[in-house]
Amino acid sequence: KNEVEQSPQNLTAQEGEFITINCSYSVGISALHWLQQHPGGGIVSLFMLSSGKKKHGRLIATINIQEKHSSLHITASHPRDSAVYICAVRSPSRNNDMRFGAGTRLTVKP
Amino acid sequence: NAGVTQTPKFQVLKTGQSMTLQCAQDMNHEYMSWYRQDPGMGLRLIHYSVGAGITDQGEVPNGYNVSRSTTEDFPLRLLSAAPSQTSVYFCASSWTGATNEKLFFGSGTQLSVL
Repeated sequence: KNEVEQSPQNLTAQEGEFITINCSYSVGISALHWLQQHPGGGIVSLFMLSSGKKKHGRLIATINIQEKHSSLHITASHPRDSAVYICAVRSPSRNNDMRFGAGTRLTVKP
Repeated sequence: NAGVTQTPKFQVLKTGQSMTLQCAQDMNHEYMSWYRQDPGMGLRLIHYSVGAGITDQGEVPNGYNVSRSTTEDFPLRLLSAAPSQTSVYFCASSWTGATNEKLFFGSGTQLSVL
């Protein structure tokens, strides 16, 4: 079993819909990152969380340390949000190595 | 600023050939790392460096060598390529590698080993 599990694997939405992507992890962490990977492009860091909630534009990230769970929400989704969203954790028990989820592929249709 | 620059973007090798993937950053970051990304799996750490002259192994180091002679450059060497090394490779950097730091990624290298 992977230490970082994301759901769903694939997600198709209509423009304007509210999107939720989930991330569960099984190790103790010092930080959780949400990343965005566009087709054919590199990877961009969206958020780094160690507790609570962060918001940037239409993106909101939350984390529940006790439940070992994080969510990434996109409000008023747009076709340009189509990308792979990756959850990653840093674990002190693993020398602060990052462990990555397999990603959620989001497609937003106009 | 260029950020993190990776070259080449694409490469095809035959089994047994050697090559070097280049990674350079212009942000004066101490921490640099190499990852591979395979279908259906998360990114996995190959090697990392916390400063010039200092490198260490990650989760999947076998078949790869690294060196860090300058702060800016962190090349990844495949000494004898194998089909199992077919993957997309990403270089990343951050200031010190501390847990609360954002990682900056290169645009990736798609490598096929035949």
